[in-house]
Amino acid sequence: DTEVTQTPKHLVMGMTNKKSLKCEQHMGHRAMYWYKQKAKKPPELMFVYSYEKLSINESVPSRFSPECPNSSLLNLHLHALQPEDSALYLCASSQTPGAGGASNEQFFGPGTRLTVL
Amino acid sequence: AQSVTQLDSHVSVSEGTPVLLRCNYSSSYSPSLFWYVQHPNKGLQLLLKYTSAATLVKGINGFEAEFKKSETSFHLTKPSAHMSDAAEYFCVVNGGTYKYIFGTGTRLKVLA
Repeated sequence: DTEVTQTPKHLVMGMTNKKSLKCEQHMGHRAMYWYKQKAKKPPELMFVYSYEKLSINESVPSRFSPECPNSSLLNLHLHALQPEDSALYLCASSQTPGAGGASNEQFFGPGTRLTVL
Repeated sequence: AQSVTQLDSHVSVSEGTPVLLRCNYSSSYSPSLFWYVQHPNKGLQLLLKYTSAATLVKGINGFEAEFKKSETSFHLTKPSAHMSDAAEYFCVVNGGTYKYIFGTGTRLKVLA
């Protein structure tokens, strides 16, 4: 199974709402990523989890709160978002760097299209 | 430091003609290089990867790329374009860390 799943596919929320995005993989990858992608731009890294611990936070505002409850799941909790946060949110997973010479490509989910009103 | 430059933001080809999408990279280490394709409102799909084995890499859907260290290039080619190839293509470099450096993307348009 080389699939990364994300739910929901689409999400519309107001600026006062609290919502969560979910991501799941069963490839045994111990690195998981959240990216934000605006239209006609490449994905921008937000967070990296390695072995369920937050490894990288690219100075993301605190209204985005990641969580990695176990090695297969990654959540992104959203609260008090702004309209400029509207984007496609992509989850990815990979082997950890230097993992015994394993191939290090990232596997991406289909994304959640988020609209903040 | 690593960087990647996609030399064309837009490429248009006629169906059945060859495709060339250009990518140059900069890396202090022996890098891994990837090409991903993204169709509208979809996630990224891996086309092919270079990880220091063969310099000519074959991928899915008839795509291939050649790693040229002397030119620091990793151009993506396909002999004959299909309408379904119309999409955004990203060249990505990784130096063995958690950071994957994305190019700005090339939008491929295929004309009937």
